[in-house]
Amino acid sequence: RKEVEQDPGPFNVPEGATVAFNCTYSNSASQSFFWYRQDCRKEPKLLMSVYSSGNEDGRFTAQLNRASQYISLLIRDSKLSDSATYLCVVMMNTGFQKLVFGTGTRLLVSP
Amino acid sequence: EAGVAQSPRYKIIEKRQSVAFWCNPISGHATLYWYQQILGQGPKLLIQFQNNGVVDDSQLPKDRFSAERLKGVDSTLKIQPAKLEDSAVYLCASSLSPGVPEAFFGQGTRLTVV
Repeated sequence: RKEVEQDPGPFNVPEGATVAFNCTYSNSASQSFFWYRQDCRKEPKLLMSVYSSGNEDGRFTAQLNRASQYISLLIRDSKLSDSATYLCVVMMNTGFQKLVFGTGTRLLVSP
Repeated sequence: EAGVAQSPRYKIIEKRQSVAFWCNPISGHATLYWYQQILGQGPKLLIQFQNNGVVDDSQLPKDRFSAERLKGVDSTLKIQPAKLEDSAVYLCASSLSPGVPEAFFGQGTRLTVV
């Protein structure tokens, strides 16, 4: 079983739509959680951290369910510029801290 | 603030040849990562340094890959000899410390093995 699993997509949505991505992780000792964004042929960049209480940044909402080992990202009012791959990232402590990336979920927003 | 610098940006080599990639992390960042990203997949950690010491190289194919971090700053990743399946983008990232989880990535080196 992969340490971090995501649906690769692609998710094709029209502008203005709401879309949600999910991610599951296998290591219950995982400490911190993040969503990174990666544009085509570019490097990944941190989009937002994910907290147990849920957190929001503009049109983006991230949630964590530790009991189910599940992370989500909700994008409201999708823009063309949101088209990218969204990587679920988990920080695990296995004697040292390491960042483990999911495969990524590709989002395509169309006019 | 200068970001993570990597070179070269692109490299094409024949199988069984050798290749080396260079990374200069953000100044003051103690943790340095090398990731391999194959097309359509997420980044896979190859090796993680804390200053100039290796903390994880469990997924580094040590029969052909090697990496070092000189004086806890710059790092090089080498492949010798290369195989077709090594074709990927090699991403270097750095973070302030393991306890500060945000990693900043370089633009990567796109390797094509023919």
